[in-house]
Amino acid sequence: SYELTQPPSVSVSPGQTASITCSGDKLGDKYVCWYQQKPGQSPVLVIYQDSERPSGIPERFSGSNSGNTATLTISGTQAMDEADYYCQAWDSSTVVFGGGSKLTVL
Amino acid sequence: QVTLRESGPALVKPTQTLTLTCTFSGFSLNTGGMCVSWIRQSPGKALEWLARIDWDDDKYYSTSLKTRLTISKDTSKNQVVLTMTNMDPVDTATYYCARIGAAGSSYYFDYWGQGTLVTVSS
Repeated sequence: SYELTQPPSVSVSPGQTASITCSGDKLGDKYVCWYQQKPGQSPVLVIYQDSERPSGIPERFSGSNSGNTATLTISGTQAMDEADYYCQAWDSSTVVFGGGSKLTVL
Repeated sequence: QVTLRESGPALVKPTQTLTLTCTFSGFSLNTGGMCVSWIRQSPGKALEWLARIDWDDDKYYSTSLKTRLTISKDTSKNQVVLTMTNMDPVDTATYYCARIGAAGSSYYFDYWGQGTLVTVSS
């Protein structure tokens, strides 16, 4: 079965750039999306179609996908961005989520 | 405005069958291209996709759980129902339903319910 691998944790200082990776075999051939989940809340879509931002998502969130790796980049990271982030792709007609990355802003 | 809300028992016993209902508004599963999925999250763990049902009644299941899952829809009530048989304590999780949005050939979960916590315990 298809697998997506994320680093369990990523740390960033306020105002700096955070990068969260998601790796999978030939991932660049698939569309990737990213979800933000804060404690006790439902996930929120922050990036779809590799690099598109839904309405209401700040411009500091961006995404890319090439080769075997997709990356979520948060520029000028703010304390409110501290959360778990999940990548997601489709494998045929089924859904695969990454294991999640906890972003700590310190 | 799109909303989804999950409902069902908070506690089930091992070996019992779980039935969850997702009641939604703001879209119709009679509309071509519309799909709804169920996703769960065990405490402190990652998201796990369970099942999907499409407007044309096509159904798809997680490979690892497909023998235990059934998804169905009642378009007149704007509801999607998930049943999971033979519940086990490892199935303790928050269960979410989510709408699948689309942009071209890209599909994603654009709206989520608030989730319902199901505990499996005797």
